[in-house]
Amino acid sequence: GNSVTQMEGPVTLSEEAFLTINCTYTATGYPSLFWYVQYPGEGLQLLLKATKADDKGSNKGFEATYRKETTSFHLEKGSVQVSDSAVYFCALSSLSGTYKYIFGTGTRLKVLA
Amino acid sequence: EPEVTQTPSHQVTQMGQEVILRCVPISNHLYFYWYRQILGQKVEFLVSFYNNEISEKSEIFDDQFSVERPDGSNFTLKIRSTKLEDSAMYFCASSAEGGNSYNEQFFGPGTRLTVL
Repeated sequence: GNSVTQMEGPVTLSEEAFLTINCTYTATGYPSLFWYVQYPGEGLQLLLKATKADDKGSNKGFEATYRKETTSFHLEKGSVQVSDSAVYFCALSSLSGTYKYIFGTGTRLKVLA
Repeated sequence: EPEVTQTPSHQVTQMGQEVILRCVPISNHLYFYWYRQILGQKVEFLVSFYNNEISEKSEIFDDQFSVERPDGSNFTLKIRSTKLEDSAMYFCASSAEGGNSYNEQFFGPGTRLTVL
């Protein structure tokens, strides 16, 4: 069945450091891929998405590229800020039924000033 | 900006009691979902709802669970007789269209359920 694997957290970085959060998936076909972010006390917010192979999603300085050959969708940001501290979830949308999401476990990012 | 809201933010209940978790989806959305996240584990799909009926449910969603859209705005998740293992964060989500995998789901802030 479909699944998403995310790197374990927490990840602690200094401000302006480079961020990578790894995400790989297992799916039949080519699902859409998403990164959601959850700030403390808030809901899950869509950060970026990609709907087909080689698509690059980007938002707020974050990027992720849909890599079919490695079944990956790694999240990157060149220079993190304290305000990026949150939990990041990788997810895929299943290709049948009601297109429910399948999530990874989430990765907590803490950025220190 | 429209948002999905959930109440209460935190619910504490005794094992065996019934709980109802409430959600108000975005007003023009047609597809509704419940997910849950047990502490430290993955966010898991529970159920999807469209046109006033369940369209898909997971193995977790057994006879103890039910969903309802009682008044055209609220979307509720009821657990008839809670168990300790039901303790989790429950997320409600809605989307404008569910007919393709591109569609974005909008999530609420979650209700933390603690079963004692």
